[in-house]
Amino acid sequence: ETGVTQTPRHLVMGMTNKKSLKCEQHLGHNAMYWYKQSAKKPLELMFVYNFKEQTENNSVPSRFSPECPNSSHLFLHLHTLQPEDSALYLCASSQGFGTGYGYTFGSGTRLTVV
Amino acid sequence: AQTVTQSQPEMSVQEAETVTLSCTYDTSESDYYLFWYKQPPSRQMILVIRQEAYKQQNATENRFSVNFQKAAKSFSLKISDSQLGDAAMYFCAYRTNPNAGGTSYGKLTFGQGTILTVHP
Repeated sequence: ETGVTQTPRHLVMGMTNKKSLKCEQHLGHNAMYWYKQSAKKPLELMFVYNFKEQTENNSVPSRFSPECPNSSHLFLHLHTLQPEDSALYLCASSQGFGTGYGYTFGSGTRLTVV
Repeated sequence: AQTVTQSQPEMSVQEAETVTLSCTYDTSESDYYLFWYKQPPSRQMILVIRQEAYKQQNATENRFSVNFQKAAKSFSLKISDSQLGDAAMYFCAYRTNPNAGGTSYGKLTFGQGTILTVHP
C-alpha cells in the first residue's frame, strides 16, 4: 500500500475516445498534483490542487480536464488526445502545501494513444 | 524559474561498491529544499533523502548520503554498499520553501533523471 492509488494502471485509447484517470489518497494530505512523465524528458507538472481548489495549470491543453471533488480524490479527464500525449501520468499528494516536505506518489497510469 | 540538471543519463556500479550521482540546480532563492527520488521499474516514485538549504550538515539516510554545496548549487547523492535493489531511475528535485515567500511554493522541479544499473 503506497498511500496514493492510481487507476487504471494501463490505458490504451483512441484519439476520439473519452476516458478518465483516477487518483485517491487517504493520507490526510490537502494538496494533490498531476505530473506527466515522457521518455527522455523531465517530469512536467500539469495541475496543482490545494484544498480542492486549482492553484496551478501549467499551460496544459484543454483536452486534459482535471477534477478534484474533495481533498482525497483527483481525476484527469481525457478527450480527443494526440499520440504525443502517450506517457506515464503520475499523481502525487503532499501534507501542508507549505511544509517543504516531499510528495507521496502513486504508481502512475501508463497511457497509450493510438 | 528554478532549473535542475542531472548530467549523467546513466551510471553503473558493482554490488557492494559506492557510486555518486550528480545534480546541479539554478536558483536565486536562499531558502529551499532538495530531494532525491528513486523510481524502480514498478514506477513508484520513492523519496530517498531530503536536504533543507539552511542546514549546513549533509543529510544521511542509512547507505544514502548527500554532498550539499550551496555556493556551488550542487547536490550529489552517494550510495554506499550498493545493492541490486538500488537499481532504478534517480531524480533530483528542488522545492521552494514557501516560508521564504517564493511564488512557486509547493512545486517540485525535477531533473532529467539518472538510470542506475547495479551489477552483481
